[in-house]
Amino acid sequence: QVQLQQSGPGLVKPSQTLSLTCAISGDSVSSNSASWNWIRQSPSRGLEWLGRTYYRSKWYNNYAVSVKSRITINADTSKNQFSLQLNSVTPEDTAVYYCARKHISSALDIWGQGTMVTVSS
Amino acid sequence: EIVMTQSPATLSVSPGERATLSCRASQSVSSNLAWYQQKPGQAPRLLIYGASTRATGIPARFSGSGSGTEFTVTISSLQSEDFAVYYCQQYNNWPPGTFGQGTKVEIK
Repeated sequence: QVQLQQSGPGLVKPSQTLSLTCAISGDSVSSNSASWNWIRQSPSRGLEWLGRTYYRSKWYNNYAVSVKSRITINADTSKNQFSLQLNSVTPEDTAVYYCARKHISSALDIWGQGTMVTVSS
Repeated sequence: EIVMTQSPATLSVSPGERATLSCRASQSVSSNLAWYQQKPGQAPRLLIYGASTRATGIPARFSGSGSGTEFTVTISSLQSEDFAVYYCQQYNNWPPGTFGQGTKVEIK
C-alpha cells in the first residue's frame, strides 16, 4: 500500500522560502513508472499543479510557468522522499499544499494528507 | 494551456437519486481525463482515470464517459458519503495537468 506523508512548517514569513517534504512508503522515488508531484489549492486559484520530478535513467523536473522562477523540487533516494522549495513567497502563496504520485498508466492516484501553509509576518 | 470547465457549479440531489456532472476541455484531451472526489479537510481522491476506468476500490455506482472535449461522471444512486466536491483534470498535455473549478454535490 503506497502512502505519502508530508512534513514542514505551516507558517512562513513573506520573502522567505517555503519548504515541504513528502516521504514515500510502498513505492520508490526512483520508480520508472511514476512521477512525484506537488499541487496546491486555494480559494482563489483552485487546484494548481506546481511541478514534478521523475526518474527515467536520469532525473527530470518540470515546473508550472506561474512559479518556474521560484520553485525547486528535489528527490532524495537515500530517504525515499521528495521535497518542494518555493522562494520569495508572498501572501498569494498561502494555500494547502499536496504531494501526489502520478502513475504512468493513471492519473494522480496517491495523495499526501496536505499541509496548510500560511504566508504572513 | 488547456482550460477545463465544469458544470454545474452546484448540484442539489436527494439520496438515492442519480447525479450527472459535466466537464468540458478547451481542446481535445483524448481520453486522458480523470475525476477526483474531495471531502472537507481531505485530499482529493482519484475516482476515474482514462475517462472511464474506475480507480482501485471505487464503487460501481461511479461511472465515467466521454472523449475529446466532453466528459461526464455519473453517480447512479447517491449515498450519504458521496456528497462532496468533484474535480476533473486533464493529463493529455502534461505538464501542466489542469483541473476544473469543481462541482459541489449537496443534499437536496
